[in-house]
Amino acid sequence: DSGVTQTPKHLITATGQRVTLRCSPRSGDLSVYWYQQSLDQGLQFLIQYYNGEERAKGNILERFSAQQFPDLHSELNLSSLELGDSALYFCASSAGAVNYGYTFGSGTRLTVV
Amino acid sequence: TQLLEQSPQFLSIQEGENLTVYCNSSSVFSSLQWYRQEPGEGPVLLVTVVTGGEVKKLKRLTFQFGDARKDSSLHITAAQPGDTGLYLCAGLGSGGSNYKLTFGKGTLLTVNP
Repeated sequence: DSGVTQTPKHLITATGQRVTLRCSPRSGDLSVYWYQQSLDQGLQFLIQYYNGEERAKGNILERFSAQQFPDLHSELNLSSLELGDSALYFCASSAGAVNYGYTFGSGTRLTVV
Repeated sequence: TQLLEQSPQFLSIQEGENLTVYCNSSSVFSSLQWYRQEPGEGPVLLVTVVTGGEVKKLKRLTFQFGDARKDSSLHITAAQPGDTGLYLCAGLGSGGSNYKLTFGKGTLLTVNP
């Protein structure tokens, strides 16, 4: 157990739907990062939050949004889902704003049918 | 855009053999990390290298950061089936991009008994 908890582990949904992925960072970590992993693109950075505020943005689609709550857990919202959004979504956490090593969760496997 | 190219993409060897995987970029990174990912799990941090020319050893694994901080290598001595997994390198940018890790697509290593 890495200390980073992601739920759900698997999610199957239809095109056009909206889903919410949840992440609880390791105790004491203030930064949360979201990554998307697919076979052809590898791990792609989506967004980072540090202590409740957005710190950095990557290749995140406008249909996707995220937030970090006062208790530091984070949610990634994916809407108007398309077949191409099927992927593994990972959350990672680190202690500070500048990262010297992530701790990853086990991921959420999203399948859009 | 900072890109990391990993080679080879796939590697299948017999137990007891030695191997080296490479991570190359045209960009300079302030630090470079190596992760190992097993099926159904998130990547696990193996090592962080920070100084150009730095060499770090972790049991049978030897990591090297290039003098110019643009490339890195991972050498495994006497590989074992337990070393099987996806090996990912990730670079931390400098200046305004120092919050984001850029990942390579990985080397998928299979060690056959």
